[in-house]
Amino acid sequence: QVQLQESGPGLVKPSQTLSLTCTVSGGSISSGSYFWTWLRQPAGKGLEWIGTIYTSGSTNYSPSLKSRVTISVDASKNQFSLKLSSVTAADTAVYYCAGGNFLVVVAATLTWFDPWGHGTLVTVSS
Amino acid sequence: EMVMTQSPATLSVSPGERATLSCRASQSVSSNLAWYQQKPGQAPRLLIYGASTRATGVPARFSGSGSGTEFTLTISSLQSEDFAVYYCQQYYNWWTFGQGTKVEIK
Repeated sequence: QVQLQESGPGLVKPSQTLSLTCTVSGGSISSGSYFWTWLRQPAGKGLEWIGTIYTSGSTNYSPSLKSRVTISVDASKNQFSLKLSSVTAADTAVYYCAGGNFLVVVAATLTWFDPWGHGTLVTVSS
Repeated sequence: EMVMTQSPATLSVSPGERATLSCRASQSVSSNLAWYQQKPGQAPRLLIYGASTRATGVPARFSGSGSGTEFTLTISSLQSEDFAVYYCQQYYNWWTFGQGTKVEIK
């Protein structure tokens, strides 16, 4: 089955750009079976959706982060990436990549996230 | 902005008892509601999607119900491995999560 693994620096300085990569194994990132998503979770807090990239290449970003976020795909490496610019201590969190699923039913398109990567802690500190 | 409110924040339950968790949306999300379980140091695990469909491999003691703005996750007989934090998630214009309900041992 499809598995995801996050990678990237665990420490980023304030005002710099956080860069993470998610490697997809067990399936092709271009198959269209999933859309690809980044989420995060500050310590002791809830989950926050950051953004999503679809097989078409189109993206959706959280309104609160939109000005600082870029998500891209490298199909040749079966990876997708997150860049978050101008980070502050408030961006310290465990960052997860996930596969998004969708199902069209009467009057709705259902969506959910599965599978997830294990998560990677990113600390913003000088 | 869509807001998801989960209650209670903490639920103390004895093993073998029933647990009922609630999730309320500030606007109707139809049946576009999922539930996740998260244990310390682990990624969330999908339990329920479409408000009531169990994900592959999820035990039958987990059930979801509701539509519109009111949703419920029920664990019929709590096992030791069920003590965790549970999150609801909706899609409206984008995805948002509730703040979580911690199910702890009574």
